[in-house]
Amino acid sequence: GAVVSQHPSRVICKSGTSVKIECRSLDFQATTMFWYRQFPKQSLMLMATSNEGSKATYEQGVEKDKFLINHASLTLSTLTVTSAHPEDSSFYICSAPPGGGPSYNEQFFGPGTRLTVL
Amino acid sequence: DAKTTQPPSMDCAEGRAANLPCNHSTISGNEYVYWYRQIHSQGPQYIIHGLKNNETNEMASLIITEDRKSSTLILPHATLRDTAVYYCIVRTGSSNTGKLIFGQGTTLQVKP
Repeated sequence: GAVVSQHPSRVICKSGTSVKIECRSLDFQATTMFWYRQFPKQSLMLMATSNEGSKATYEQGVEKDKFLINHASLTLSTLTVTSAHPEDSSFYICSAPPGGGPSYNEQFFGPGTRLTVL
Repeated sequence: DAKTTQPPSMDCAEGRAANLPCNHSTISGNEYVYWYRQIHSQGPQYIIHGLKNNETNEMASLIITEDRKSSTLILPHATLRDTAVYYCIVRTGSSNTGKLIFGQGTTLQVKP
């Protein structure tokens, strides 16, 4: 199946710093990618939809100025957590539907990025 | 998209079939049933999806009731590696957003 990678897999940062997480589709183009956040023992929560060449669409309650999303190419979306605080510590996961756009087919998920803010 | 209800946890003996139920009583005619699973600290993995007919692939079988208000995911011969959280998601197949909204899922524990 198609492969989605994330980098870094794990990051520890100090409070107040910004952290960038990359999501790449390795063997297919993705005009749309999705970003999720998962707290311990909880389900995945959709944060935003990343659209290549246009602004991201954020879910209700997600601060767009805190979680900056840039979908610069058909294979790369980045999530920047700005001025991170301990409550932003979480498991961040991206996904992408194959075929170049959103569809009802299976989506491929990245392995996730564990963010710890001290 | 319709809401789904799953039991929070289930146990299954290794080598036996694991049957994971999902209720989606408000499903509409153009909504598909998807199953994903998440092994601890990994990204979710697609398992199977269907609309009306039962579906089977190399991983599992999906049985959808005739009224489509519930479905069952069947792992025919569960192994210890199948221990994971299983998510049943209902979504419009023709949706142009592609969003997947995850519920709480069922934690399946496969025991030796």
